[in-house]
Amino acid sequence: AQSVTQLDSHVSVSEGTPVLLRCNYSSSYSPSLFWYVQHPNKGLQLLLKYTSAATLVKGINGFEAEFKKSETSFHLTKPSAHMSDAAEYFCVVSASLNTGFQKLVFGTGTRLLVSP
Amino acid sequence: NAGVTQTPKFRVLKTGQSMTLLCAQDMNHEYMYWYRQDPGMGLRLIHYSVGEGTTAKGEVPDGYNVSRLKKQNFLLGLESAAPSQTSVYFCASSRTGNTEAFFGQGTSPTVV
Repeated sequence: AQSVTQLDSHVSVSEGTPVLLRCNYSSSYSPSLFWYVQHPNKGLQLLLKYTSAATLVKGINGFEAEFKKSETSFHLTKPSAHMSDAAEYFCVVSASLNTGFQKLVFGTGTRLLVSP
Repeated sequence: NAGVTQTPKFRVLKTGQSMTLLCAQDMNHEYMYWYRQDPGMGLRLIHYSVGEGTTAKGEVPDGYNVSRLKKQNFLLGLESAAPSQTSVYFCASSRTGNTEAFFGQGTSPTVV
């Protein structure tokens, strides 16, 4: 079964320093992977997605993620954090169902805290 | 651009009362989902639909029912609400099961 593990529940950085949010996945086939962001009291917004094209994926707001099959990882990075990046981030993998269809499986989330 | 719209946004109801959450999407998506979000647990899938007239159970379906009578609408019902159903509920839609999902703004019923 497909699953995703976000290795840190909280990450704290200072404004202007790099951001690294870690995600490992488990999948029996080549998956589709996504990162979503949720700002306080808001819905979820797609940051970026990997669908078997380039392994380095660029998203919105300066975020990017690299798909590493050998490490089963899809870590999210940003060179320089802004205060507005403070939010919760979800790593998501597509998963096959018994019915033959696919659904999205969410990690438990990483809360990013950015200090001045 | 409306995208995915959820109504109502907030509601307080008593234990045992019923409630229906409405989700509407205007992107002609086949797949629609209902998730609940609880602290420290991420999003858990309640029910989903892969097309008009279809529904299926997700990870945590007990205590909920759904209907997809029209392609653009996906209704979630709490037949006899329990305090354990106090949560934030998100509806989402996608073109297929492994393409980008678009989310509504969430509905927060409180069961007392």
